[in-house]
Amino acid sequence: GENVEQHPSTLSVQEGDSAVIKCTYSDSASNYFPWYKQELGKRPQLIIDIRSNVGEKKDQRIAVTLNKTAKHFSLHITETQPEDSAVYFCAAPYSGSARQLTFGSGTQLTVLP
Amino acid sequence: DAGVIQSPRHEVTEMGQEVTLRCKPISGHDYLFWYRQTMMRGLELLIYFNNNVPIDDSGMPEDRFSAKMPNASFSTLKIQPSEPRDSAVYFCASRGGTNTGELFFGEGSRLTVL
Repeated sequence: GENVEQHPSTLSVQEGDSAVIKCTYSDSASNYFPWYKQELGKRPQLIIDIRSNVGEKKDQRIAVTLNKTAKHFSLHITETQPEDSAVYFCAAPYSGSARQLTFGSGTQLTVLP
Repeated sequence: DAGVIQSPRHEVTEMGQEVTLRCKPISGHDYLFWYRQTMMRGLELLIYFNNNVPIDDSGMPEDRFSAKMPNASFSTLKIQPSEPRDSAVYFCASRGGTNTGELFFGEGSRLTVL
């Protein structure tokens, strides 16, 4: 099965600064990499995902980059705002199949006003 | 669609009692997943179903846990007997069978076993 490692576990940034969260995965056959955001007391929700046929994907202030050779992918949030404060989870397919996801351990992002 | 619906939202029970958590997936989604979330272990996949059939239950911690999906619109996760270490938030999630991988989570059931 897939092993997903996520760093850092906590991250504090000043409002307006950028935040970067990194994940590594073990299965070279994995081809789908989503990021989920979970606000306190709420459900995880997909914010962006990337497939292995591209190296980068952007959606307004968030972007994800993928390095298949090194087997790592990163979430980038620019111009952070207080409402970006949440726990962010990366995920990768279990056994190369998008049917099951293995989640990283999560990063608690705090944006300081 | 109202999204994935879980009940109860909160449950407090005593050790040894039976607990049943319920889930209604999004209509038309043919994959259903049960996850458990704790501070120590993060989000763990317990079991998932495809077209109502259990595909992988290797994440179910022990025989005290069981899950069923009698039809496309309903699933249960049962713990019998419950123990304090079962305290967690249990999420149900569903997704369609298309190429998109997005999981739609329910609001979760927060279980406290005293």
